[in-house]
Amino acid sequence: QKEVEQDPGPLSVPEGAIVSLNCTYSNSAFQYFMWYRQYSRKGPELLMYTYSSGNKEDGRFTAQVDKSSKYISLFIRDSQPSDSATYLCAMSGSGAGSYQLTFGKGTKLSVIP
Amino acid sequence: DAGVTQSPTHLIKTRGQHVTLRCSPISGHKSVSWYQQVLGQGPQFIFQYYEKEERGRGNFPDRFSARQFPNYSSELNVNALLLGDSALYLCASSGTGASAFFGQGTRLTVV
Repeated sequence: QKEVEQDPGPLSVPEGAIVSLNCTYSNSAFQYFMWYRQYSRKGPELLMYTYSSGNKEDGRFTAQVDKSSKYISLFIRDSQPSDSATYLCAMSGSGAGSYQLTFGKGTKLSVIP
Repeated sequence: DAGVTQSPTHLIKTRGQHVTLRCSPISGHKSVSWYQQVLGQGPQFIFQYYEKEERGRGNFPDRFSARQFPNYSSELNVNALLLGDSALYLCASSGTGASAFFGQGTRLTVV
């Protein structure tokens, strides 16, 4: 079992739809949870950063972390064609030397005008 | 402010050759990490350096090495290149928290 599981998709939605992206993980030591957006042939761009369980909202993006279920989600409201990209979940532990990120495979999203 | 800068952006090498990739972190960030991303996969952790000390190493062979300089820039070296080393190599810069900011990557093709 991989440490982080993420459905690679592809996921195709119409413009304006609400998008739900998810990851599950097995390592209970993970404390920090991130979502990155990656356009084709570019480096990942940090979208959301959450510590421990709870919700965080930033504009059209909402990140949720449920540590009891080892499940994290990213919601995108009013999706736009410019949101078309690969979305990567990433997580890390805490303490010295533990800030290495473990990534999911990424979910490829297409938002159709 | 400049983000994380990596050089070169692309390069093509022959099997058995050596390659050096370079990274400059965000100003004020003291930690640099390196990741390898093959097509269709998420990035895989290679190294983390903080204040010029190695803080972590991923599951990569000894052909991979890195170092961090006094100005916090970093180099990733790969010896005896294999076809399977073809990937996007990403450098990430971190400040005091766990969040990491990535550069645009160096796309390495081994032929």
